[in-house]
Amino acid sequence: GQQLNQSPQSMFIQEGEDVSMNCTSSSIFNTWLWYKQEPGEGPVLLIALYKAGELTSNGRLTAQFGITRKDSFLNISASIPSDVGIYFCAGSRGGAGNMLTFGGGTRLMVKP
Amino acid sequence: DSGVTQTPKHLITATGQRVTLRCSPRSGDLSVYWYQQSLDQGLQFLIQYYNGEERAKGNILERFSAQQFPDLHSELNLSSLELGDSALYFCASSFRGPGNEQFFGPGTRLTVL
Repeated sequence: GQQLNQSPQSMFIQEGEDVSMNCTSSSIFNTWLWYKQEPGEGPVLLIALYKAGELTSNGRLTAQFGITRKDSFLNISASIPSDVGIYFCAGSRGGAGNMLTFGGGTRLMVKP
Repeated sequence: DSGVTQTPKHLITATGQRVTLRCSPRSGDLSVYWYQQSLDQGLQFLIQYYNGEERAKGNILERFSAQQFPDLHSELNLSSLELGDSALYFCASSFRGPGNEQFFGPGTRLTVL
């Protein structure tokens, strides 16, 4: 089963509002990734984080790699209708495998 | 478009049958990962291949197998299918080594009736 706890599970916000979601783990990850998935499509990579404490932006999106390496958060500023979708955090421990462990997702709905 | 292609897009089959899902990674990517997405289990890692060799295994059933060919495309074989195998199956690729981003294909939706 999943090892990453992602919250909130869903959000229904007004267009223009800021959004914050986070992901926590009981164990350390060396890489944190944030993906967005829309219906009928595969996850699309939004932001990748490689160092504890790292803060990275991609347009209106900002994500941080927690200093304990056990958490990460994603902020979306000034939300717009096309931000609708499911956002997933994913962690990797690196090494030979580099497989991703995913959170349960945050479903974002934006009211115009 | 991530550059990762998967076929078929949809697959409907019956219990007990065997199917093959195909994935072509992004040009230059050596690693291929397979993930299963279901409503109750979320996105789960199944198996990884790197340059033709199996590199890591996750929660993959013994009825499932995969391989990566010399041209780096990969196939996921699912046999003795059960109703519970109905899910989205994603392939992802990355260039190499720890810390590299994984790019996902559009997925294959498998329905077992």
